[in-house]
Amino acid sequence: QKEVEQNSGPLSVPEGAIASLNCTYSDRGSQSFFWYRQYSGKSPELIMSIYSNGDKEDGRFTAQLNKASQYVSLLIRDSQPSDSATYLCAVNPPGGYQKVTFGTGTKLQVIP
Amino acid sequence: DTAVSQTPKYLVTQMGNDKSIKCEQNLGHDTMYWYKQDSKKFLKIMFSYNNKELIINETVPNRFSPKSPDKAHLNLHINSLELGDSAVYFCASSFLAGGSRNEQFFGPGTRLTVL
Repeated sequence: QKEVEQNSGPLSVPEGAIASLNCTYSDRGSQSFFWYRQYSGKSPELIMSIYSNGDKEDGRFTAQLNKASQYVSLLIRDSQPSDSATYLCAVNPPGGYQKVTFGTGTKLQVIP
Repeated sequence: DTAVSQTPKYLVTQMGNDKSIKCEQNLGHDTMYWYKQDSKKFLKIMFSYNNKELIINETVPNRFSPKSPDKAHLNLHINSLELGDSAVYFCASSFLAGGSRNEQFFGPGTRLTVL
């Protein structure tokens, strides 16, 4: 089982809709969870961090964490064409020095 | 006012050559990383330094040698380059502990092409 799993997509949503991106992780003791956005040819950019169960909202973005189900998601409301990118889920496992593990990313396409 | 910078941005070289990539961060972070992103876009950690101490050393050929002269700089030297080394190499930095809990900030990347 991969440590961090994401559907590779592409996920296509119409402009103005809600885009829902999902991620599961294998290490139950993981403590920190991140969503990065990566435009084609660019570097990953941190857009959300979440550390406790529940929802965390920042503008049009909402991160949701369910540690019991080992599941983290990112909702993008009122999706814009500029949101079209690959979204990487990253998880910080417990113990020792913190080695963040990245998923393979979900490609999001927002159709005008 | 670039937060994490890398040089060069592009590197095209012949097999067997030796090359270096440099990284600098001005965020005051104590930890720096090298990642490799291959053609399938999978981002894999290679090395990490905390205050000049190597703390993460993944299964990487010993042709790759990182060096951190101080906590704001991390360089990567690659000997005897091979075709399979072609990838984008990203530098990143973070605070190792504390409230930010390892939020990492990435440099612009170095696209290495080995011919």
